[in-house]
Amino acid sequence: DTAVSQTPKYLVTQMGNDKSIKCEQNLGHDTMYWYKQDSKKFLKIMFSYNNKELIINETVPNRFSPKSPDKAHLNLHINSLELGDSAVYFCASSQVGPSGGIQETQYFGPGTRLLVL
Amino acid sequence: ILNVEQSPQSLHVQEGDSTNFTCSFPSSNFYALHWYRWETAKSPEALFVMTLNGDEKKKGRISATLNTKEGYSYLYIKGSQPEDSATYLCAFTGNTGKLIFGQGTTLQVKP
Repeated sequence: DTAVSQTPKYLVTQMGNDKSIKCEQNLGHDTMYWYKQDSKKFLKIMFSYNNKELIINETVPNRFSPKSPDKAHLNLHINSLELGDSAVYFCASSQVGPSGGIQETQYFGPGTRLLVL
Repeated sequence: ILNVEQSPQSLHVQEGDSTNFTCSFPSSNFYALHWYRWETAKSPEALFVMTLNGDEKKKGRISATLNTKEGYSYLYIKGSQPEDSATYLCAFTGNTGKLIFGQGTTLQVKP
């Protein structure tokens, strides 16, 4: 049973296209996150949702729009893809939201490798 | 800007060697320090979450210590095995609730 899953695992697309990455967790967690692994291999938080509400929104271009239809899903839509968007994107989830239990372990998905040509 | 630094960046040891690496983090507004193990082509997997100064955690041959006053944590691996080869990440949580990751220490254990 995969706890946090992401689709697709690989995504190759042209500059200017719009694409979505999906994330689902079956752990019953309240909070979900999107991270971007940058060129220096750091994992950096992009967004966090707690019970479908946006609670963390880092300085990310507004071409990136997260959507949480329910607390088990957090999708990432990217408009007008640019070359610099090429990276690995990780979804994660945790039991309690950051303000209420920030020591909680986050469980990560396998990552989506995005390549923009 | 909150920085989390890990050293060394990479480490090569022989099977059976014991090793340790360091995570440095801001000592103010500390809430928690996480250690993750990240194997190539897999997801980061949680090892420890530590919240109290002086905390020590152990999982098999891996243990970690925490000093929140001076802002560092050590991860120790006793008797390294080839299957311990991975990148070990630490992440600091302050009062913002966000996990701020270090760059990781990549360990390679040779048989």
